[in-house]
Amino acid sequence: EAGVAQSPRYKIIEKRQSVAFWCNPISGHATLYWYQQILGQGPKLLIQFQNNGVVDDSQLPKDRFSAERLKGVDSTLKIQPAKLEDSAVYLCASSAGTFPSYNEQFFGPGTRLTVL
Amino acid sequence: KNQVEQSPQSLIILEGKNCTLQCNYTVSPFSNLRWYKQDTGRGPVSLTIMTFSENTKSNGRYTATLDADTKQSSLHITASQLSDSASYICVVSAAAGGSQGNLIFGKGTKLSVKP
Repeated sequence: EAGVAQSPRYKIIEKRQSVAFWCNPISGHATLYWYQQILGQGPKLLIQFQNNGVVDDSQLPKDRFSAERLKGVDSTLKIQPAKLEDSAVYLCASSAGTFPSYNEQFFGPGTRLTVL
Repeated sequence: KNQVEQSPQSLIILEGKNCTLQCNYTVSPFSNLRWYKQDTGRGPVSLTIMTFSENTKSNGRYTATLDADTKQSSLHITASQLSDSASYICVVSAAAGGSQGNLIFGKGTKLSVKP
């Protein structure tokens, strides 16, 4: 079974620039998550999709971050404009959404963003 | 406030030795607890997942325990190998039933295994 795919793996930009990340979840997984992981910390949930609807985006900085999940499959996360504190690894995860492993999440390799 | 705290923050051991990582949580309502291994530059990979009724679960050389009364969990690694060098993250699910749940992540324990 193919895992969660993310691209790019690394990205370096200057502050105030824009950047976009892409995620392709495991085939058939209904739920998709985006996390931000700052160095030395655990992942922090940014947004959760159930199919193509948003379930939770309470911790998404909506003034600069946006995300969409087209047709309930792939997803993109955008930052515009980026700030220095956005430097982190952005992890995408997906889960099948079925009992009993309904919230077993499978993570992608992440995109490491450096904002200069 | 739902929180997951892990200790130690970092740990260095010699290859072949055993070690135990700790996780304390204040999460309610509790659904399940899982341990993830995160290699440098990779996403977390699930090691074990335990529900309220389970108090131990093994995955090869990894054994997780759960005490739901004291809200503590541990991850024991036996006969460590160089490849065990990674961050180990304790994650607690705050919701029960059929919802997706709200996962609360610990900050992780960074384990370094030296030859």
